[in-house]
Amino acid sequence: DTAVSQTPKYLVTQMGNDKSIKCEQNLGHDTMYWYKQDSKKFLKIMFSYNNKELIINETVPNRFSPKSPDKAHLNLHINSLELGDSAVYFCASSQTGIGTGELFFGEGSRLTVL
Amino acid sequence: GQNIDQPTEMTATEGAIVQINCTYQTSGFNGLFWYQQHAGEAPTFLSYNVLDGLEEKGRFSSFLSRSKGYSYLLLKELQMKDSASYLCAFVNQAGTALIFGKGTTLSVSS
Repeated sequence: DTAVSQTPKYLVTQMGNDKSIKCEQNLGHDTMYWYKQDSKKFLKIMFSYNNKELIINETVPNRFSPKSPDKAHLNLHINSLELGDSAVYFCASSQTGIGTGELFFGEGSRLTVL
Repeated sequence: GQNIDQPTEMTATEGAIVQINCTYQTSGFNGLFWYQQHAGEAPTFLSYNVLDGLEEKGRFSSFLSRSKGYSYLLLKELQMKDSASYLCAFVNQAGTALIFGKGTTLSVSS
């Protein structure tokens, strides 16, 4: 069983469209995250959720909205996609908060905006 | 502010030892982490240092000096499969997420 799974793995879309990426973890963790990795491989935190409450939002445009129906899921919805949104988006989870820093990452979702 | 600095690229040969350095600046230090990321894959956790000194885990060791804001990852008996990016990270000021450096891409050749 995959611990942290994301869908879709690849997404190609046009500027201006709205898209969602889904994430599910079966580890029983309390905290989930979304990271963005750009073309220069820089991995940057976007959001984290702890027991369905958003606890950080690192200067991310409000076109990005995380949605968590329960603690095992954290989906990312993006409105009005822009060229600069092209990146790999990683979902991750940790047991309780950041703790000892062991994050479990999903395989990533590569978004290409044309 | 918070800042992490590590070399962009390094090369080494099979069987050798390589040291990847990381310097950081942060307030409220809560530990220094190393992650490995193979091309096209997700990052995976390697090590965690919260106290000064060396933590050894098989072929990989990680060192921390809090007073110097310095850490390194030591990889021994290099193998081709060690070719990857190595990311240094620390906890953000709010204590709610990891802040990653830009990573060091290590290329191991035969």
